[in-house]
Amino acid sequence: GQNIDQPTEMTATEGAIVQINCTYQTSGFNGLFWYQQHAGEAPTFLSYNVLDGLEEKGRFSSFLSRSKGYSYLLLKELQMKDSASYLCAVASGGSYIPTFGRGTSLIVHP
Amino acid sequence: DSGVTQTPKHLITATGQRVTLRCSPRSGDLSVYWYQQSLDQGLQFLIQYYNGEERAKGNILERFSAQQFPDLHSELNLSSLELGDSALYFCASSVPGGSGELFFGEGSRLTVL
Repeated sequence: GQNIDQPTEMTATEGAIVQINCTYQTSGFNGLFWYQQHAGEAPTFLSYNVLDGLEEKGRFSSFLSRSKGYSYLLLKELQMKDSASYLCAVASGGSYIPTFGRGTSLIVHP
Repeated sequence: DSGVTQTPKHLITATGQRVTLRCSPRSGDLSVYWYQQSLDQGLQFLIQYYNGEERAKGNILERFSAQQFPDLHSELNLSSLELGDSALYFCASSVPGGSGELFFGEGSRLTVL
């Protein structure tokens, strides 16, 4: 199985940059996903990393190091609407079905 | 709007009862996934269907079952309900041959009293 760890909660200021870390232990790695979930709503896809390095998509970037079992999601120019839970998920063991971590609740304050 | 439709949005029932949750995937998507999200467990994968056939099974209880019909909609049946089954049940679909990105429906919130 997989063991996925991410901080439970983070706070940041509007306009700032925040980095949400995720570590995982797995075998047969097939990719790492980040999803955003606002309270009471459906998760929405943010990024997918299968190779080492940084993937940038607008204000959001995701980094992966397979040798370290480590990823982070970087959010720049934070906005109030970025307050949400950020879910790290890993696909492994011959499957592309993501197993989700418990999520990091990000609170952005003015 | 992800294009995945789930009904009902809310459901309140009693212990011991049985409920059916319904999901229609995005047009063209052949795979349907069911996830359960509770406060203490996070988002847990239950089961996947692909073009009418069961493809993968996760932490799905024996009291739960699912199927996918020829029109690709799927139903999740939950029976002998217990208080601990209270959760948000999400359905998701994915693009055939894609990277695995899941498109989630709005979820069905089940409350067992």
